[in-house]
Amino acid sequence: SAVISQKPSRDICQRGTSLTIQCQVDSQVTMMFWYRQQPGQSLTLIATANQGSEATYESGFVIDKFPISRPNLTFSTLTVSNMSPEDSSIYLCSVESGLAADTQYFGPGTRLTVL
Amino acid sequence: DAKTTQPTSMDCAEGRAANLPCNHSTISGNEYVYWYRQIHSQGPQYIIHGLKNNETNEMASLIITEDRKSSTLILPHATLRDTAVYYCIVRVPWYALNFGKGTSLLVTP
Repeated sequence: SAVISQKPSRDICQRGTSLTIQCQVDSQVTMMFWYRQQPGQSLTLIATANQGSEATYESGFVIDKFPISRPNLTFSTLTVSNMSPEDSSIYLCSVESGLAADTQYFGPGTRLTVL
Repeated sequence: DAKTTQPTSMDCAEGRAANLPCNHSTISGNEYVYWYRQIHSQGPQYIIHGLKNNETNEMASLIITEDRKSSTLILPHATLRDTAVYYCIVRVPWYALNFGKGTSLLVTP
């Protein structure tokens, strides 16, 4: 399985600021996904990020608020912009690896608290 | 993606088999059944997946009914570390996972 790391693991931020979350994979992967998990809730897909193309956002998520970069096949970033307390969540990246029979693996998550 | 229905919570005694059911009556022919679990807000952990045949790996077994409208995840000898939220998801490979509320499994001593 792919080994995925995320930075930072957690952060506490002030309202109105932005935070960029990094996702690094130990192998080249085609598809990467970003999810959000609000307190006490299940995971919700934010966007799909493929290398060399614009990210595809789910309903309710917009690029101005959650810009995503995918510069190569092992790395992606998600920025949470102009944060408010409602953005307090765990943000998770996942990757789809064809080497593992089309299975999706998750990073450890980034726990964000906005004051 | 087809929707799944799982019980909200289940209990299981340590050392016994945990059988977690899932209904997916609207599953399409090209959709697989996937199981993930999430332990205390960590990243979801992949467990197993299958299309129509029963599957077994070092973590669990997956039993899919012949009509594919339901499945059961079996943890053969549950331990306290298996306490987690278990998600049953149906999807076509390479698409995003659509997480429902899952089943909260509590393994008791």
